[in-house]
Amino acid sequence: GEKVEQHESTLSVREGDSAVINCTYTDTASSYFPWYKQEAGKSLHFVIDIRSNVDRKQSQRLIVLLDKKAKRFSLHITATQPEDSAIYFCAASRNNYAQGLTFGLGTRVSVFP
Amino acid sequence: EAAVTQSPRSKVAVTGGKVTLSCHQTNNHDYMYWYRQDTGHGLRLIHYSYVADSTEKGDIPDGYKASRPSQENFSLILELASLSQTAVYFCASSDAGGAREQYFGPGTRLTVL
Repeated sequence: GEKVEQHESTLSVREGDSAVINCTYTDTASSYFPWYKQEAGKSLHFVIDIRSNVDRKQSQRLIVLLDKKAKRFSLHITATQPEDSAIYFCAASRNNYAQGLTFGLGTRVSVFP
Repeated sequence: EAAVTQSPRSKVAVTGGKVTLSCHQTNNHDYMYWYRQDTGHGLRLIHYSYVADSTEKGDIPDGYKASRPSQENFSLILELASLSQTAVYFCASSDAGGAREQYFGPGTRLTVL
């Protein structure tokens, strides 16, 4: 089955700088790559996703890059703010989404002033 | 706004006892999922369902059963709870038709003693 590796377990960034989280996956059939955010003591909520038909997607300060050849995707949080502090999870699935998501282990991002 | 609720929010169970975790969604979504979150393991898919009265095994189904009596409700059943099932359990729902954003419930913290 699919395996998703999230390379950074923690990231500490100065407010205003960028944070980058890298993930790799194993299943070449995976075509959907979402990111979720979990704030302390709370549930997960969706932040951005990318599908295999594009290699870049931006939503406000969030940019996702996808390199299908390397089976790698990354989340870039630009101009970080204190409210960006959270755990971020990458995930992957095939287009047959009924089978659910395979998650990485999460990256704890801390933004300091 | 999409709404997924879970009950109970926390539970202490004894080893060998039966535990039922409930999930209710008002999103009119066909797909529902149960994940567990453990420190060091991220989220892992236990069971999922894409239609009422039918459930499917996820990546780690052993020791768990699921029930989907209606589109809105999805339960996770531990017939014989074990220490290793201590975790936080999340329910999620998503729309039909391919890879889509999942909406997560607040989670249930289960402690098996």
